[in-house]
Amino acid sequence: QLVLTQSPSASASLGASVKLTCTLSSGHSSYTVAWHQQQPEKGPRYLMNLNSDGSHSKGDGIPDRFSGSSSGAERYLTISSLQSEDEADYYCQTWGTGIRVFGGGTKLTVL
Amino acid sequence: EVQLVESGGGLVKPGASLRLSCAASGFTFSSYTMNWVRQAPGKGLEWVSSISSSSSFIYYADSVNGRFTISKDNAKKSLYLQMNSLRADDTAVYYCARDKGAQPLFDSWGQGILVTVSS
Repeated sequence: QLVLTQSPSASASLGASVKLTCTLSSGHSSYTVAWHQQQPEKGPRYLMNLNSDGSHSKGDGIPDRFSGSSSGAERYLTISSLQSEDEADYYCQTWGTGIRVFGGGTKLTVL
Repeated sequence: EVQLVESGGGLVKPGASLRLSCAASGFTFSSYTMNWVRQAPGKGLEWVSSISSSSSFIYYADSVNGRFTISKDNAKKSLYLQMNSLRADDTAVYYCARDKGAQPLFDSWGQGILVTVSS
């Protein structure tokens, strides 16, 4: 079964960096994922898609502070030089035959 | 600029029906697979349904299969979700989302529309 696992919460200080993790279920380690940001009281925003080899392409207007990387079944979203507006929920997403799947989301707090 | 604007939400009683619409602009609507995604209050994102560019392929989440119907009018650049037999657990903000070209990953989102099912 295709499942994406994310930690429920993360925190980091203003100006620091944070690395969020999305783990693909067994047998799905080659899958591409997308990362989406949802700021409080707003709709989701596409950040990037991230391949198993770590290559990624970002959406229009996404700052260079956002980057992606991969290792095995793990897909990472790294945000550097954290700003207050980065405080948001972050979701990874992938697909299977006839379905789309979301991770449970990580709530990022900027201290 | 890609724009997706949902409409048609509101408060309905359990068992009722509601039809959501999503008006698209800024891209060639007929070339894209489109989706509905929902988010219950305080919860995460849940994929609801997908429809291919020419409506040849349609998929539903198990939670709505048999009750919801997705459709697409390429001439009107609009996406629809007909929701029947609504239940309290269908209460959510519903988002329209576009697939990223050939990949079933969402690259554009609407602002969402609230559907509340309550007696």
